[in-house]
Amino acid sequence: GDSVTQTEGPVTVSESESLIINCTYSATSIAYPNLFWYVRYPGEGLQLLLKVITAGQKGSSRGFEATYNKETTSFHLQKASVQESDSAVYYCALGDGYNQGKLIFGQGTKLSIKP
Amino acid sequence: DPKIIQKPKYLVAVTGSEKILICEQYLGHNAMYWYRQSAKKPLEFMFSYSYQKLMDNQTASSRFQPQSSKKNHLDLQITALKPDDSATYFCASSQESANERLFFGHGTKLSVL
Repeated sequence: GDSVTQTEGPVTVSESESLIINCTYSATSIAYPNLFWYVRYPGEGLQLLLKVITAGQKGSSRGFEATYNKETTSFHLQKASVQESDSAVYYCALGDGYNQGKLIFGQGTKLSIKP
Repeated sequence: DPKIIQKPKYLVAVTGSEKILICEQYLGHNAMYWYRQSAKKPLEFMFSYSYQKLMDNQTASSRFQPQSSKKNHLDLQITALKPDDSATYFCASSQESANERLFFGHGTKLSVL
């Protein structure tokens, strides 16, 4: 079936250090997967961080980057230097490119930044 | 101010009862959705509506019934509640059903005793 697996949290990183949250997907029934990272900051609703709809392309937002790797079926989220304001729960998600509101989410990774 | 209002934030119900979860969005969006997140499980898609019409239903049980009285409302009625229904229910919306940017509410946490 279709599924998303991501780094099991919680993850704690010191401010200014680099971050990677792993995400791998299985898209057996989706011909052209679209990939997303959503984020939930404390006290806020889940919101889109970045998306990539074409294999081989990279998406970026707020200093975060993720590259859609079809060969390894991965979409890892990276940031070179984290800030305290990046503390949040991050969700990797998979869509089918047609019905975009129907997403398959990973379990979420809670990230805490140590000042 | 939140643009997607879900009420109530917390809800406790007894097994066998019926509850309605409220969702209103003030983003002018035409598509609305319900997702559910049970303990230690990923967010799971339940329903999608576009222009007040059901587009997709991934919920196996007919005990879950969305209700769209207005374009910006999508309530969720749950009947004959079971303890397994305990979860946080999230409402979301997007400009159109083919739009990839979803906006989520803060959720209603339902506990069924």
